[in-house]
Amino acid sequence: EVQLVESGGGLIQPGGSLRLSCAASGFSFGSYAMSWVRQAPGKGLEWVSTISSSGDSTYFADSVKGRFTLSRDISSNTLHLQMNSLGAEDTAVYYCAKSKKGYCSGGSCSLDYWGQGTLVTVSS
Amino acid sequence: ETVLTQSPGTLSWSPGERVTLSCRASQSVNNRYLAWYQQKPGQAPRLLVYGASSRASGVPDRFSGSGSGTDFTLTISRLEPEDFAVYYCQQYGNSPQTFGQGTKVEIK
Repeated sequence: EVQLVESGGGLIQPGGSLRLSCAASGFSFGSYAMSWVRQAPGKGLEWVSTISSSGDSTYFADSVKGRFTLSRDISSNTLHLQMNSLGAEDTAVYYCAKSKKGYCSGGSCSLDYWGQGTLVTVSS
Repeated sequence: ETVLTQSPGTLSWSPGERVTLSCRASQSVNNRYLAWYQQKPGQAPRLLVYGASSRASGVPDRFSGSGSGTDFTLTISRLEPEDFAVYYCQQYGNSPQTFGQGTKVEIK
C-alpha cells in the first residue's frame, strides 16, 4: 500500500524558514517523480514544486521560485521541501504527492497518491 | 500559464442524478493531459481520471472523462451519497501545471 506521510509543519513568523518532510513507503520511491501541492484555507489547489525520479531536475511555481528548494533522499525514501523567507501568502496545507511517471516534462504530471498534508501557518 | 475555468462553481444535485462538470482551458492542453480529482472535507485529493479519459485504479465506472483541446468534461452517471465533494481539474500538458478553481457538488 502506498503511503505518504508529511511532517514539519507548524506556526512560523514572517521571514522565517521551515523544512517539510514526506516519508514514502509501499512503492519504488526512486522510480517516480514527486511533487508538493498546497491549499490555502478555504481555497483551491496550487502546485508548488516537482522533483524528478533521479533528483537531477527540480521545478518550482513562480510564487516560490528562489525561496523554496526540493530534494529527495532515496536511501531513506524521504522528500524534503526547504522553505525560506516565508510570508502570510504561504499559509496553507502542504500535500506531498506521487507522480504517475518517473519524469514529468516541465515538472507537470498527474498525481496518483497524496499524503494527508501538513499545515504551515505564517503569522506573527 | 494555462488558466482552467471550471463550471458550475457550486450546484446542488439529488442522489441518482447524472452530473456533468466542465473544465475549460485558456489554451489547448497538449496530449490531452487533463486530470480530475475529488476532494472531501478534511481529506487529501483523490485522482479520478488522467489523460482526459483514463480512470485511475479503483475508481468506480460511474465516473468518466472526455474532451480534448480546451474543453473537458467529467461525468458522474448516477450520483451516489459518497460523491458529494469538490472536484478539481488539473492540466499537466503545459508548463506550469495548473488546477481549476473547483466545482462543489452539494446535496439538493
